Amino acid sequence: ILNVEQSPQSLHVQEGDSTNFTCSFPSSNFYALHWYRWETAKSPEALFVMTLNGDEKKKGRISATLNTKEGYSYLYIKGSQPEDSATYLCAFNSSSASKIIFGSGTRLSIRP
Amino acid sequence: DVKVTQSSRYLVKRTGEKVFLECVQDMDHENMFWYRQDPGLGLRLIYFSYDVKMKEKGDIPEGYSVSREKKERFSLILESASTNQTSMYLCASSFISGTGELFFGEGSRLTVL
Repeated sequence: ILNVEQSPQSLHVQEGDSTNFTCSFPSSNFYALHWYRWETAKSPEALFVMTLNGDEKKKGRISATLNTKEGYSYLYIKGSQPEDSATYLCAFNSSSASKIIFGSGTRLSIRP
Repeated sequence: DVKVTQSSRYLVKRTGEKVFLECVQDMDHENMFWYRQDPGLGLRLIYFSYDVKMKEKGDIPEGYSVSREKKERFSLILESASTNQTSMYLCASSFISGTGELFFGEGSRLTVL
């Protein structure tokens, strides 16, 4: 079974603070690394899908980096806001027609 | 607007019943997936399909089967529901080419009594 690990499992951050969390994945047979945000009572939605070593992607205050050689990705949130409260999931796949395996997620809570 | 639709948001079934969870997508995606989500365990893959009538086991296929007779529809079947199958079930789909970004349904919360 492919192993995708996320840390920390949960995080409580003061509004306005910046934060980051980690996803580690197999460094062999890499095709893509995904980040999703899952808000309560909604469907998970894609933030980023990254395919190249060294990729950095940004969407507003959220950014992500990718290191495929060592098998990790970081997600950064700058100036956390209450609407950032969600579970952040990363997922790995080894080819376009292969299964996509998720980590257990990081649950982020923002304190006003 | 892209859409993945799951047939039931909430179901309550009895042990031993046969349960069908339906998923339909309108994006002409080749890949379709069924996951279950349990607290502390994240999303675990049950089955996936990359083409009509094709299926591949995920990490936890025991007690489940699937059917993909049409490209837009992927059904998850619990032949004889058990209490340990009480969970949130999520369907997702994606193109076989490109980034592989997943589009999710809203989930089906199944309780087996």
